[in-house]
Amino acid sequence: QAVVTQEPSLTVSPGGTVTLTCGSSTGAVTSGHYPYWFQQKPGQAPRTLIYDTSNKHSWTPARFSGSLLGGKAALTLSGAQPEDEAEYYCLLSYSGAYVFGTGTKVTVL
Amino acid sequence: QVQLVESGGGLVKPGGSLRLSCAASGFTFSDYYMMWIRQAPGKGLEWVSYISSSGSTIYYADSVKGRFTISRDNAKNSLYLQMNSLRAEDTAVYYCAGGGYCRLWGQGTLVTVSS
Repeated sequence: QAVVTQEPSLTVSPGGTVTLTCGSSTGAVTSGHYPYWFQQKPGQAPRTLIYDTSNKHSWTPARFSGSLLGGKAALTLSGAQPEDEAEYYCLLSYSGAYVFGTGTKVTVL
Repeated sequence: QVQLVESGGGLVKPGGSLRLSCAASGFTFSDYYMMWIRQAPGKGLEWVSYISSSGSTIYYADSVKGRFTISRDNAKNSLYLQMNSLRAEDTAVYYCAGGGYCRLWGQGTLVTVSS
């Protein structure tokens, strides 16, 4: 089973920009992995921000964007807000089976 | 109201069984694939299983293959996870997710495997 790796923690200043990445032990992440990004705050269920690399749900703030960057999936937060402090997880598809990333704790400070 | 509601969690002894349910409402359940995802206390998310909209395609994580069975009843707008041969490491909050690109998540149901 593949291992999906994310930065353990990142800090961003209010109004600043931060990019989270999601790498695969099997090689480059492509659109064929259908990358998802989820946000989870303490004590809450996760919510889906991004699907299929870069598509947003209706509730996804415009400041979040998804892409492929340097062989990894990436989630960029531009103009960070205090309410964006949370754990972020990516999810990759491997021919039907799925693997979550290790998660990134984002602090807005 | 568009939502997913899990039920069926609880305390079970190692080697025991449990059946989780996920009731869907407010959308056309039969149109969408569904997943079970779990989160052990203080840990990250772990994908458990996937089932296609018709139920004809199913996948499992290696950690549960042969012990867990996912199913759905589109007439009852319900998703299920039959969990057998439970182990301590299966202790987690179990979430169902789906409804189109995982737009919906349930609130989770806690499964505790302990003697």
